[in-house]
Amino acid sequence: EAGVAQSPRYKIIEKRQSVAFWCNPISGHATLYWYQQILGQGPKLLIQFQNNGVVDDSQLPKDRFSAERLKGVDSTLKIQPAKLEDSAVYLCASSLRRLAGTDTQYFGPGTRLTVL
Amino acid sequence: RKEVEQDPGPFNVPEGATVAFNCTYSNSASQSFFWYRQDCRKEPKLLMSVYSSGNEDGRFTAQLNRASQYISLLIRDSKLSDSATYLCVVKEGGATNKLIFGTGTLLAVQP
Repeated sequence: EAGVAQSPRYKIIEKRQSVAFWCNPISGHATLYWYQQILGQGPKLLIQFQNNGVVDDSQLPKDRFSAERLKGVDSTLKIQPAKLEDSAVYLCASSLRRLAGTDTQYFGPGTRLTVL
Repeated sequence: RKEVEQDPGPFNVPEGATVAFNCTYSNSASQSFFWYRQDCRKEPKLLMSVYSSGNEDGRFTAQLNRASQYISLLIRDSKLSDSATYLCVVKEGGATNKLIFGTGTLLAVQP
């Protein structure tokens, strides 16, 4: 079974530029998550989708970050404009359904963003 | 206070040693508990769930103490391949599947 796919794997931009990341979840997974992992920290949830609807975006900095999952499958996360503190690994994860403690989240390889 | 707290380490141990990681969480309504493993520059992967009765998977044993809001992971007979960061993870209560990650504990097993 194919895992969660993400692209690009690496991105270097200058502050105030824009950047977009793409994620394709495991086939059939209804729930998709975007996490930010800053060096030395654990992943922090930015936004959670159930199909094409937003379940939780309470920790998404909405003044500069946006995300969409228009057809309920793949998703994009955008940062506009980027700041130095946005340098991190952006991880996408998916799970089969939203409910239940045993609903395992599977992570993609991440996109490593460096903002100069 | 952080929602999930772990000793960041690093823990440097020789092969064959037994090592224990501890974790505390602040939300008493948390429902489920996990240990994830993250290799250097890789994504996190589920290692095991943690149950109140304690559970074991080969050389790995996880324990949960709800009264103390404390989670542990014990690794016996450490292998070089166990070197990684171990993330303590708590699932919030409610109808979401929101996971709260600790900062992780770095384990380095030495030959």
